[in-house]
Amino acid sequence: EAQVTQNPRYLITVTGKKLTVTCSQNMNHEYMSWYRQDPGLGLRQIYYSMNVEVTDKGDVPEGYKVSRKEKRNFPLILESPSPNQTSLYFCASRRMNTEAFFGQGTRLTVV
Amino acid sequence: QKEVEQNSGPLSVPEGAIASLNCTYSDRGSQSFFWYRQYSGKSPELIMFIYSNGDKEDGRFTAQLNKASQYVSLLIRDSQPSDSATYLCAVNFLSDAGNNRKLIWGLGTSLGVNP
Repeated sequence: EAQVTQNPRYLITVTGKKLTVTCSQNMNHEYMSWYRQDPGLGLRQIYYSMNVEVTDKGDVPEGYKVSRKEKRNFPLILESPSPNQTSLYFCASRRMNTEAFFGQGTRLTVV
Repeated sequence: QKEVEQNSGPLSVPEGAIASLNCTYSDRGSQSFFWYRQYSGKSPELIMFIYSNGDKEDGRFTAQLNKASQYVSLLIRDSQPSDSATYLCAVNFLSDAGNNRKLIWGLGTSLGVNP
């Protein structure tokens, strides 16, 4: 089954404790993105990657890191999480010019 | 600034009626357009995509594209309570650097279908 898999689904952590949210896709897509979604603000792109070892900042990259060492994986790293990073996060993958496929989402709470 | 705009709603329609959702976009060069449905707390799921001017029908859903007027709409016929969700419009824009196409998202329209 074609899918994008994110883990964990839910995460509560404390300020400053490094965390990683994993994302993996099995569709051989070149393009992967991370979004955060907050009430009234819609989907905002954090980082994206057009292929292995090619990443770039989206609209709200501050406080986040990513890497793309393999085509299928695109982890999101929060080196020092803060409460303003409490949000619903989505990973998505696609081929250029086609629709995006989303992971199940990760609800992150930073206290 | 490349933008996609949608009325936030909420849009409320009775069960069985036609729901009409609209989206306008700023870049005339856009080539592909997508409608997603998102239930609260869940991930967006694709309903339809459209690339050419005119109408595209899939079951109870019809997407309409007018590139000259820069709008795309989604009609839902025979609306059901299960259609109550937020509908997101997404448009593929050519990046400022010209080296890739970026999906720009509207904020979504909340639809409620009343039994």
